[in-house]
Amino acid sequence: QSALTQPRSVSGSPGQSVTISCTGTSSDVGGYNYVSWYQLHPGKAPKLMIYDVSKRPSGVPDRFSGSKSGNTASLTISGLQAEDEADYYCCSYAGSYTWVFGGGTKLTVL
Amino acid sequence: EVQLVESGGVVVQPGGSLRLSCAASGFTFDDYTMHWVRQPPGKGLEWVSLISWHGDSTYYADSVKGRFTISRDNSRNSLYLQMNSLRTEDTAFYYCAKESSGSSSFQHWGQGTLVTVSS
Repeated sequence: QSALTQPRSVSGSPGQSVTISCTGTSSDVGGYNYVSWYQLHPGKAPKLMIYDVSKRPSGVPDRFSGSKSGNTASLTISGLQAEDEADYYCCSYAGSYTWVFGGGTKLTVL
Repeated sequence: EVQLVESGGVVVQPGGSLRLSCAASGFTFDDYTMHWVRQPPGKGLEWVSLISWHGDSTYYADSVKGRFTISRDNSRNSLYLQMNSLRTEDTAFYYCAKESSGSSSFQHWGQGTLVTVSS
């Protein structure tokens, strides 16, 4: 199972919007509405930001949104804040009780 | 508050064995499927294994199949990962994660424990 493809890095200024893409195949991203996104800060537990493509867990700001088109999912962060600077990983269910993650994207808030 | 605390990570030689533990609290442990996910230092996340709430269904990534065994003790609110025939490429932070209710995602994670496989 190959990792999903994410850009290595993205950046934006405070208040701007950024979008992180996550490209897979019809066997994972395109085949299921089970794409999720995780935020990783160094030394802290990963945090679920989006699940089932576009749903936000309780407590996650509505500045975070998710979508999917075909084999590509996207995470959009609007109104960037300094605390959004982190690594972001997408993940998709890949069938037969397996999951595949993306390679991760480092978000820099300029 | 949900808490997941991993332990057991150490330095081990190639070919060696190790058992990781994950202590869970703040939720009804035996209601949830649990997972292990790993992250080699400086690299991306990799799903490793899952175990059903009752413990009788387990699944593994191809990279660990036949070498790792996931288990749980619901009476102790604990999750385990027995790792045998360890390879240098198994070096990683290992996280336990609680599956989201009704969704194939990972709702809560621990802070991880570092396993280093090196001679």
